[in-house]
Amino acid sequence: SSELTQDPAVSVALGQTVRITCQGDSLRSYYASWYQQKPGQAPVLVIYGKNNRPSGIPDRFSGSSSGNTASLTITGAQAEDEADYYCNSRDSSGNHGWVFGGGTKLTVL
Amino acid sequence: QVQLVQSGAEVKKPGASVKVSCKASGYTFTGYYMHWVRQAPGQGLEWMGRINPNSGGTNYAQKFQGRVTMTRDTSISTAYMELSRLRSDDTAVYYCAREQKYGSSGWYWFDPWGQGTLVTVSS
Repeated sequence: SSELTQDPAVSVALGQTVRITCQGDSLRSYYASWYQQKPGQAPVLVIYGKNNRPSGIPDRFSGSSSGNTASLTITGAQAEDEADYYCNSRDSSGNHGWVFGGGTKLTVL
Repeated sequence: QVQLVQSGAEVKKPGASVKVSCKASGYTFTGYYMHWVRQAPGQGLEWMGRINPNSGGTNYAQKFQGRVTMTRDTSISTAYMELSRLRSDDTAVYYCAREQKYGSSGWYWFDPWGQGTLVTVSS
């Protein structure tokens, strides 16, 4: 099965821009979706498809993709953006499965 | 509004089985696949499998093959995930999540998610 690789931890100064990346072979076939998870809460979808935000997600969140890498960018990070972020895509190995990245802990300084 | 509401926390002994429910509301239950994802304490998200509520067809992660069974009851818009032969490392929060996709474009995403069900396996 496929794997998705994320940096375990990233930090950003308040108001600055941060990019969280996700690498994996499945991303050559399928777009990543991104989820924000705060302690004790269920994951929440923040980006899907090429660069789509569900209603209620601030426009400082954006997504992009190139080759085997997907990125989540937060432009002007806020204190409330401190959370774990997970990428996810369908597995391209033909097993009809899905795969999550290991998650990135974002700290807003 | 679209909502998934899961059953309450469970405590089980090693070797037992657990069955978690996920009741859907606000949309046509049979129109969307339902996935199950788990998260062990302090760990990341792990995909377990999915069920087609219309046909009952399932796809399971290889890791859980033989131990997991996903079913549904369309009359009450509820999906179920049963995990058998529980071990201590099955202690986790179990989530259901609705699959959405955009045509055949390769766009898939999970939204919404249930609130999670904590399953604790302990002797």
